[in-house]
Amino acid sequence: DAGITQSPRHKVTETGTPVTLRCHQTENHRYMYWYRQDPGHGLRLIHYSYGVKDTDKGEVSDGYSVSRSKTEDFLLTLESATSSQTSVYFCAAHETLGGGYTFGSGTRLTVV
Amino acid sequence: AQKVTQAQTEISVVEKEDVTLDCVYETRDTTYYLFWYKQPPSGELVFLIRRNSFDEQNEISGRYSWNFQKSTSSFNFTITASQVVDSAVYFCALSDLRPGGGNKLTFGTGTQLKVEL
Repeated sequence: DAGITQSPRHKVTETGTPVTLRCHQTENHRYMYWYRQDPGHGLRLIHYSYGVKDTDKGEVSDGYSVSRSKTEDFLLTLESATSSQTSVYFCAAHETLGGGYTFGSGTRLTVV
Repeated sequence: AQKVTQAQTEISVVEKEDVTLDCVYETRDTTYYLFWYKQPPSGELVFLIRRNSFDEQNEISGRYSWNFQKSTSSFNFTITASQVVDSAVYFCALSDLRPGGGNKLTFGTGTQLKVEL
């Protein structure tokens, strides 16, 4: 397992404020991902990374940015949080193509 | 575009009943992987199985079994003699192995399984 830690686990923030979620892995895996989980939608990909400083957009990337300056850390930033970004956010990582993901425990974000 | 459909939103069974969770996928790729994940009430996502597109053999692991049929683009999951601890949301997912695709997973919307005494 990749040993993925997400922080914070829970956060309540106000509309319009910036928010950064952190994902830390201990296994030096190349690929990392941010998903959001919403009722009726399953998990949807926000952004992903295939190496340090190599990132790309997923299907629901509007309003989000990411950074990966080190292999072990993948940050997700909401520049100006909106109520529609209230969700549970999951980070995942893996090493090989076709490999199963290992997920973090999730971050529950509430934007009020 | 890749798509995964889990048409069963919620299933309720009585303990010891067998239950099958359906998964239908769409892809133009000839090489891909399919996955099942379990999300118990505690919220974490637990990997259950991975199957590649060239291996259509059914797989059994204890009370769990998986039926992969390329002809119908389905990857169904059966729990035999269900138990209360099987109560969870189950997700089917499809990988994107295209060059530059980043091996992204496309998830279905999940099936909530409730096993009652």
